[in-house]
Amino acid sequence: EVQLLESGGGLVQPGGSLRLSCAASGFTFSNYAMNWVRQGPGKGLEWVSTISGGGGSAYYADSVKGRFTISRDNSKNTQYLQMNSLRVEDTAVYYCASADTLAFWGQGTLVTVSS
Amino acid sequence: DIQMTQSPSSLSASVADRVTITCRASQGIRNDLGWYQQKPGKAPKRLIYAASSLQSGVPSRFSGSGSGTEFTLTISSLQPEDFATYYCLQHNTYPRTFGQGTKVEIK
Repeated sequence: EVQLLESGGGLVQPGGSLRLSCAASGFTFSNYAMNWVRQGPGKGLEWVSTISGGGGSAYYADSVKGRFTISRDNSKNTQYLQMNSLRVEDTAVYYCASADTLAFWGQGTLVTVSS
Repeated sequence: DIQMTQSPSSLSASVADRVTITCRASQGIRNDLGWYQQKPGKAPKRLIYAASSLQSGVPSRFSGSGSGTEFTLTISSLQPEDFATYYCLQHNTYPRTFGQGTKVEIK
């Protein structure tokens, strides 16, 4: 059974940083791309970033490019999202999702950016 | 960027009704499309992949069709547990893009 467990969310001031983690199990982690998707309060789903299975390729939404960095550690079956220069508009539940097709999702972690 | 235009944005329906939701892509995406169901406070759950393939464990009343630019999610007989918000997602090109969502409410 595929399981994805996000952690690392919390309250941070504008301009601050946060690192999210997503621990995966139930599949061969290194064979699959991984993704981050977010959902602002009362809003729809927004794709944030994708990293390839080997970690050599990464893609970002324009809204986070230059501020967020996706990475993964295949020895730990974990992916990360380093979020810098956070803005109020980055407030959202952040989900990790597996594979190019976003097949399975974690339960999400809440990031609140507020002074 | 590929725009995904989903309609309607909301609908009211009764149990046992047939419901159809549409997504239109601004350019061809072959069949690189998934449909997701999200209930309040929960993570999205994929129902359909590759435009028309049913995810394992998903009831057969859900079906998907389409290719290229026009896609449809159909619920053949709406059940009480189906009241939720539905999203389409294209994974043909980056950036990945979602439809705006369709909220299915009880009439």
